[in-house]
Amino acid sequence: GENVEQHPSTLSVQEGDSAVIKCTYSDSASNYFPWYKQELGKGPQLIIDIRSNVGEKKDQRIAVTLNKTAKHFSLHITETQPEDSAVYFCAAIGGGADGLTFGKGTHLIIQP
Amino acid sequence: DTAVSQTPKYLVTQMGNDKSIKCEQNLGHDTMYWYKQDSKKFLKIMFSYNNKELIINETVPNRFSPKSPDKAHLNLHINSLELGDSAVYFCASSRGVDSNQPQHFGDGTRLSIL
Repeated sequence: GENVEQHPSTLSVQEGDSAVIKCTYSDSASNYFPWYKQELGKGPQLIIDIRSNVGEKKDQRIAVTLNKTAKHFSLHITETQPEDSAVYFCAAIGGGADGLTFGKGTHLIIQP
Repeated sequence: DTAVSQTPKYLVTQMGNDKSIKCEQNLGHDTMYWYKQDSKKFLKIMFSYNNKELIINETVPNRFSPKSPDKAHLNLHINSLELGDSAVYFCASSRGVDSNQPQHFGDGTRLSIL
């Protein structure tokens, strides 16, 4: 089955700086890679996703890159703000009505 | 309007009891899921239903039984609760059976076993 590794587990950056979270996956059949943000007491919220036929996708301050050959994908947040503080999860999914395989999460802390 | 709603938000109960968690989605999605998040925040798929039919049943004790009365609802019944069942349980839904459809999550049910 799929295995997703996520790094780092904790990331502290100064407000205004950029944050990068990296993930690798094992199943070459995986074709969809979403990123979720989870705030305390809430469910995971989809913030951006990328499909295997695309190498990069951007939405305002958030971007995701995908390298299918190397089987890794990354989340980039620019101009970080205090409200970006949360736990971020990467995930991957293969064919059919599969469940998402999640990474173990990154606790992003934005220092004022 | 809440897209994926779960009840209750908190559930505290004794070991050995039977309990149910309800989930409803108003997004018109065909596929619904249950995930478990442990104390280390690791999220793992438990079940997936498409149009009321079971698609995925991961290695979950048979004390856990999902029930889908219609495609907008997927309830989770747990028999003979054990200490290790303490976790946050999330319901999610997505459109269709294609794997590249976004999944939308509810806010979770925190289950605590005394």
